Amino acid sequence: GAVVSQHPSWVICKSGTSVKIECRSLDFQATTMFWYRQFPKQSLMLMATSNEGSKATYEQGVEKDKFLINHASLTLSTLTVTSAHPEDSSFYICSASTGLITDTQYFGPGTRLTVL
Amino acid sequence: DAKTTQPPSMDCAEGRAANLPCNHSTISGNEYVYWYRQIHSQGPQYIIHGLKNNETNEMASLIITEDRKSSTLILPHATLRDTAVYYCIVRVADSGGYQKVTFGTGTKLQVIP
Repeated sequence: GAVVSQHPSWVICKSGTSVKIECRSLDFQATTMFWYRQFPKQSLMLMATSNEGSKATYEQGVEKDKFLINHASLTLSTLTVTSAHPEDSSFYICSASTGLITDTQYFGPGTRLTVL
Repeated sequence: DAKTTQPPSMDCAEGRAANLPCNHSTISGNEYVYWYRQIHSQGPQYIIHGLKNNETNEMASLIITEDRKSSTLILPHATLRDTAVYYCIVRVADSGGYQKVTFGTGTKLQVIP
């Protein structure tokens, strides 16, 4: 299957700082990328969906000014957690798709964020 | 948007078939059913998907009921490496191309030697 990478795989930061997470599709053009958050022992929760070159569409309850998503190219999307607080500590996972509903969504390995 | 419900856990003997059910009773006609699995602290791995017909690939089979309100993922010969959390999800795109993905609660499958 296609390969999606995330960087960094884990990050520890101080409260109040901003953290950027990168998601790359390595061998296909990802028209659509998804960002999820997963708390321990829970399912994945969709945060936002972005189409390349367009503004991201955020799920209800997700603050777009806090979780900045940029999808400027067909192989790269970034999620920036601004002014991070301990409650933002979570496992963040991206996925990428060609954009067709029938095409598989490939997931990255995830990024573990810990805010002190 | 359709929601999915799954049993929280299941056991399966190694070498036997694992049948994982998923209820998606509010699914609409244009929503696809996808199955993924997740091994601890990793990204989900794609298994199979379908709309209304049964599907089979090298990993599994997907059986979708005629009314599409439920489906079953079948791992024909479970191995210890199949121990994971299995997620049934529904995926739809609106007329504007926006895709919505809803993850179920997941079933923790334990394959027993």
